[in-house]
Amino acid sequence: QKEVEQNSGPLSVPEGAIASLNCTYSDRGSQSFFWYRQYSGKSPELIMSIYSNGDKEDGRFTAQLNKASQYVSLLIRDSQPSDSATYLCAVQGTYKYIFGTGTRLKVLA
Amino acid sequence: GAVVSQHPSRVICKSGTSVKIECRSLDFQATTMFWYRQFPKQSLMLMATSNEGSKATYEQGVEKDKFLINHASLTLSTLTVTSAHPEDSSFYICSARGGGPGELFFGEGSRLTVL
Repeated sequence: QKEVEQNSGPLSVPEGAIASLNCTYSDRGSQSFFWYRQYSGKSPELIMSIYSNGDKEDGRFTAQLNKASQYVSLLIRDSQPSDSATYLCAVQGTYKYIFGTGTRLKVLA
Repeated sequence: GAVVSQHPSRVICKSGTSVKIECRSLDFQATTMFWYRQFPKQSLMLMATSNEGSKATYEQGVEKDKFLINHASLTLSTLTVTSAHPEDSSFYICSARGGGPGELFFGEGSRLTVL
């Protein structure tokens, strides 16, 4: 069973801090990885995609990929209360996408 | 990013009726769309993969006769919940690949309440 694992949280960080969200996956052959943000009652919204080892930055968000360790992370710098949401890690499989259960992030004002 | 539109966003129906939900890719063609359902405070559950011009592929445990999926064009997939019951009340979300390689974009979701 191919899996994507995330800590369910909640992860609480103070406003302005760095939030670090982690994800591990079981399929060593996976090539494409995604982070989604989902606000309560809304559908998921794509934040970042990453395909190569290393870091990829987009504004306050940095995705990190380590294929050898089968590990993907998302860093959110200068966290804002509006970042409070559930963050889903997703891995593209051969025919479908495997989603983690999500990490709930709370940014405290 | 690519835009996926879903309609209706909210529907309330009586038990025993059927409800159709539409999912459209607005600025790209989608040969494959995915349908998910999500219960409160739970993760996404893939129901089926919708393929343009062919039968949908259903996940284990999902009744294909109850959840009818039609993907008649490259921009439209529909999910029909037949003979709906209160236990079918859920948040249904479609998605499609568009934009960058493999990037999956979601519709706004449809909240179904069966009375």
